[in-house]
Amino acid sequence: QKEVEQDPGPLSVPEGAIVSLNCTYSNSAFQYFMWYRQYSRKGPELLMYTYSSGNKEDGRFTAQVDKSSKYISLFIRDSQPSDSATYLCAANRLRGGAQKLVFGQGTRLTINP
Amino acid sequence: EAGVAQSPRYKIIEKRQSVAFWCNPISGHATLYWYQQILGQGPKLLIQFQNNGVVDDSQLPKDRFSAERLKGVDSTLKIQPAKLEDSAVYLCASSFSGNTIYFGEGSWLTVV
Repeated sequence: QKEVEQDPGPLSVPEGAIVSLNCTYSNSAFQYFMWYRQYSRKGPELLMYTYSSGNKEDGRFTAQVDKSSKYISLFIRDSQPSDSATYLCAANRLRGGAQKLVFGQGTRLTINP
Repeated sequence: EAGVAQSPRYKIIEKRQSVAFWCNPISGHATLYWYQQILGQGPKLLIQFQNNGVVDDSQLPKDRFSAERLKGVDSTLKIQPAKLEDSAVYLCASSFSGNTIYFGEGSWLTVV
């Protein structure tokens, strides 16, 4: 079983739609949760970072963590064609005294004009 | 602030040849990571350095992959000999605190 599971999609929605991206994780030791955005032929770029259960909002993006169900979500409101990218969820935990970041598979998102 | 620099961006080699990738992290970042990202998958950690010491290399195929970080700054990742399944993007990343990790644009390797 992978430590972080993510539906690979692909997901295609019309411009302006609300997008919901989801991940689950298996290890209760994960403390921090991130969402990265990766454009084609580019490195991942940190989008959102959360620690506790609940919601964190940044503009059109909302990250949600539910530690009781080990569920991570990213919502994109008023989606734009420029949001078309692969979205990677990630979880971070201490292992052997060092931070260990584990990624999901990534969801490929296309916003159609 | 300059980002994580990687070179070369693209490399095509034949199987059994060797290749080396270079990374210069963000200034002041003590932690440096090398990730392997196969097409359609999420990045997988190969090796993590804290300054110039290795803290995690549990997923590094040590029979063919090696990495070093001399003087706790730049790092090189070497593959010798390369296999077809090594075709991937090799991402270097760095962090100051460990929670916010910044990635370079990656080195794209194709083994033919």
